[in-house]
Amino acid sequence: AQTVTQSQPEMSVQEAETVTLSCTYDTSESDYYLFWYKQPPSRQMILVIRQEAYKQQNATENRFSVNFQKAAKSFSLKISDSQLGDAAMYFCAYRSGTGTASKLTFGTGTRLQVTL
Amino acid sequence: GAGVSQTPSNKVTEKGKYVELRCDPISGHTALYWYRQSLGQGPEFLIYFQGTGAADDSGLPNDRFFAVRPEGSVSTLKIQRTERGDSAVYLCASTTPPDERPEQFFGPGTRLTVL
Repeated sequence: AQTVTQSQPEMSVQEAETVTLSCTYDTSESDYYLFWYKQPPSRQMILVIRQEAYKQQNATENRFSVNFQKAAKSFSLKISDSQLGDAAMYFCAYRSGTGTASKLTFGTGTRLQVTL
Repeated sequence: GAGVSQTPSNKVTEKGKYVELRCDPISGHTALYWYRQSLGQGPEFLIYFQGTGAADDSGLPNDRFFAVRPEGSVSTLKIQRTERGDSAVYLCASTTPPDERPEQFFGPGTRLTVL
């Protein structure tokens, strides 16, 4: 079974600074997807960024980028120019690439605080 | 609708009662998932529907939990004889038809409190 580990329960960053959230995972599969989801107090899970395992290039979405190290099974999220609206819980998630649809396996989350 | 909707937003019930939680997926999404998120944890998979049938119900914790999707759109998660340990946020997600996009789109969840 796949597992996802987020070892940072809480992180804090000053507005306009950069922060990196860590995630490691364990799998025996070679085809899979990795995601970062943001969950504000409203509870709605919002997709931040997606990475396909077969792609060597790290995904980027505006201020958000990942450092995907497939051999090390590491998938960290970097948030640049942090904004107050970035404050939320961040969850790393794994999805198998086999089959037409597959459940997500989540980590325990990292609470990000953004200070002035 | 524009996104996944879930009703009710909050549900308070007494131990031993029966509850139903509803999920309305994004129009055209064939796959629908239910997850449970306990306090301080990440969401945990409960059940997945492809169309009307449950393709994977391996996450349902016991036979008090049941879900249906009779017409391949709206789904209802049913919990019988609720226990205090069932208190959690129940999240629903849907995805586009197979092989289009791998990410799931989530609703706002239903917070269930069992007294």
